Amino acid sequence: EAGVVQSPRYKIIEKKQPVAFWCNPISGHNTLYWYLQNLGQGPELLIRYENEEAVDDSQLPKDRFSAERLKGVDSTLKIQPAELGDSAVYLCASSSQGRNNEQFFGPGTRLTVL
Amino acid sequence: AQTVTQSQPEMSVQEAETVTLSCTYDTSESDYYLFWYKQPPSRQMILVIRQEAYKQQNATENRFSVNFQKAAKSFSLKISDSQLGDAAMYFCAYRSPNTGNQFYFGTGTSLTVIP
Repeated sequence: EAGVVQSPRYKIIEKKQPVAFWCNPISGHNTLYWYLQNLGQGPELLIRYENEEAVDDSQLPKDRFSAERLKGVDSTLKIQPAELGDSAVYLCASSSQGRNNEQFFGPGTRLTVL
Repeated sequence: AQTVTQSQPEMSVQEAETVTLSCTYDTSESDYYLFWYKQPPSRQMILVIRQEAYKQQNATENRFSVNFQKAAKSFSLKISDSQLGDAAMYFCAYRSPNTGNQFYFGTGTSLTVIP
């Protein structure tokens, strides 16, 4: 079974440029998460989807960040325009509906903003 | 919101020895789930072990075991017979059934294994 797929793995852009990250969760997983992870820190939730509905986006900086999961499967996270402080690893994870089910993480996208 | 605290930013252990990583959490709920995740350098985060709060028996997965103290809200991870491949960041996580599929993560403990 394929795991959570993310692309690209690495992205280097100049500040003020737009950038987009893509995630394909494990087949059948209704819940999809986008996290931001700074070096040496734990994941911080940006947005959580239940199917195509964003049920928790309170930590998403909506002035520059946007996300979508149109068909309740894969998802895209966008930053426009990027700032120096956005340099981090962006993790995607998915889980199924079971009460004790774990999250499965993708490899992440390492973003560097110059 | 629930909070998860890992008070040891860094730990080290000699190869083949045992090490314990600590985790405490704050909650008013009685039903929840706890997890330990491992993140090797530049690699994917993977599940190490999970514990259901309603189970008194501590979870065990091969060389990994937990000491779950519900009253103290403590959930430590013990790694026995440490191996070089155990070197990684370890994150404690809390999941509440009452808030859907929301996970709360600690800040992590960086484990070094000394040959």
